[in-house]
Amino acid sequence: DQQVKQNSPSLSVQEGRISILNCDYTNSMFDYFLWYKKYPAEGPTFLISISSIKDKNEDGRFTVFLNKSAKHLSLHIVPSQPGDSAVYFCAASGGSGGYQKVTFGTGTKLQVIP
Amino acid sequence: GAVVSQHPSWVICKSGTSVKIECRSLDFQATTMFWYRQFPKQSLMLMATSNEGSKATYEQGVEKDKFLINHASLTLSTLTVTSAHPEDSSFYICSASGRVPYEQYFGPGTRLTVT
Repeated sequence: DQQVKQNSPSLSVQEGRISILNCDYTNSMFDYFLWYKKYPAEGPTFLISISSIKDKNEDGRFTVFLNKSAKHLSLHIVPSQPGDSAVYFCAASGGSGGYQKVTFGTGTKLQVIP
Repeated sequence: GAVVSQHPSWVICKSGTSVKIECRSLDFQATTMFWYRQFPKQSLMLMATSNEGSKATYEQGVEKDKFLINHASLTLSTLTVTSAHPEDSSFYICSASGRVPYEQYFGPGTRLTVT
């Protein structure tokens, strides 16, 4: 049972434009959400997170939006840069798994075209 | 800050042998460490969670006698794949938490190939 879903396995965006990566979750007990970036043969790198008490968190070019009623979150990258090309994982924690256990989505491969 | 290292970065071993992978938090004390496995084009699959000084908690379907986890200190956890078989070939990644609640910091991963 995939509790965190990223329905788009890949996304291509022109350099300078906005990249929007989407994530849906099914467990209403999740209350902390994270985005990670991963290059091939490397471990994921933490990007940005958001608590369920907020609906938006911004850090430089990265903004995460949370819609609790829809159980949906998105990561916006603007402007997109070629170095942003990587696989992005959405993750969630909380609920019966506790706050230390993180459930990952299947990832979205972002390609930023120069 | 929040650097996690893994050693080795890649290893090739023969079927039937055991392999140990180390995970270290270099600049913080990791009260909890996690071990993941990633198959090609798939998500990270949590194998087990370990807290310093106590036994690891394994996820359903993960053989605890095959994947031995030790978390002897606040900066070191080890994963030993015992009697490795070709189907154990995978990318193993550890992570550590402790600096900030809810956030995990990942190591660079270890590519294991069993021949």
